[in-house]
Amino acid sequence: GAGVSQSPSNKVTEKGKDVELRCDPISGHTALYWYRQSLGQGLEFLIYFQGNSAPDKSGLPSDRFSAERTGGSVSTLTIQRTQQEDSAVYLCASSPGGTSGRVQEQFFGPGTRLTVL
Amino acid sequence: AQSVAQPEDQVNVAEGNPLTVKCTYSVSGNPYLFWYVQYPNRGLQFLLKYITGDNLVKGSYGFEAEFNKSQTSFHLKKPSALVSDSALYFCAVREEAGFQKLVFGTGTRLLVSP
Repeated sequence: GAGVSQSPSNKVTEKGKDVELRCDPISGHTALYWYRQSLGQGLEFLIYFQGNSAPDKSGLPSDRFSAERTGGSVSTLTIQRTQQEDSAVYLCASSPGGTSGRVQEQFFGPGTRLTVL
Repeated sequence: AQSVAQPEDQVNVAEGNPLTVKCTYSVSGNPYLFWYVQYPNRGLQFLLKYITGDNLVKGSYGFEAEFNKSQTSFHLKKPSALVSDSALYFCAVREEAGFQKLVFGTGTRLLVSP
């Protein structure tokens, strides 16, 4: 398909285990974002990648969270030593990006629902 | 810091009636404002955005939003609601120029009854 895809759609893990969440952005989009949606909360920004620039990690809640974007396309969000409060839906989004300054809408994937037992 | 408030957790409206979902924002400069909709088990879908120009912005599925600078509001509206409009609606504001990340409100659930 042409949209943003995420895998897995659901992940159940035990407290203390590490998890990896994957995002495939829309082809050609250079900007990629990760957000977290907790029950009853809005979307919380986690991290932003733009091309080859250093990512904006200002939203990562702790050093247990990290993300990579290989080859400017696929991104992996890793949560180490998961805690119950990490349970949430993790959403990935992409946008065309670039340095034109044009304000762009973001295209979201379906999300990964993470449950930490 | 930029912020968005959606004062209503839920809005109930009968099919065929007009609907309004409220949003207010706080930014230090000019706001870039967005509305997204989330259907169950789906990602967010873009509805519309305000960048500059006309205060009334038209978007997808017959939705529109009115930007009001003096009231720092960006309420979402539709003249005639459909049952299929029932979903979770998020207002968002973009931070200062150069940063594309969005600051979202907590969402408003819209329930349209037949």
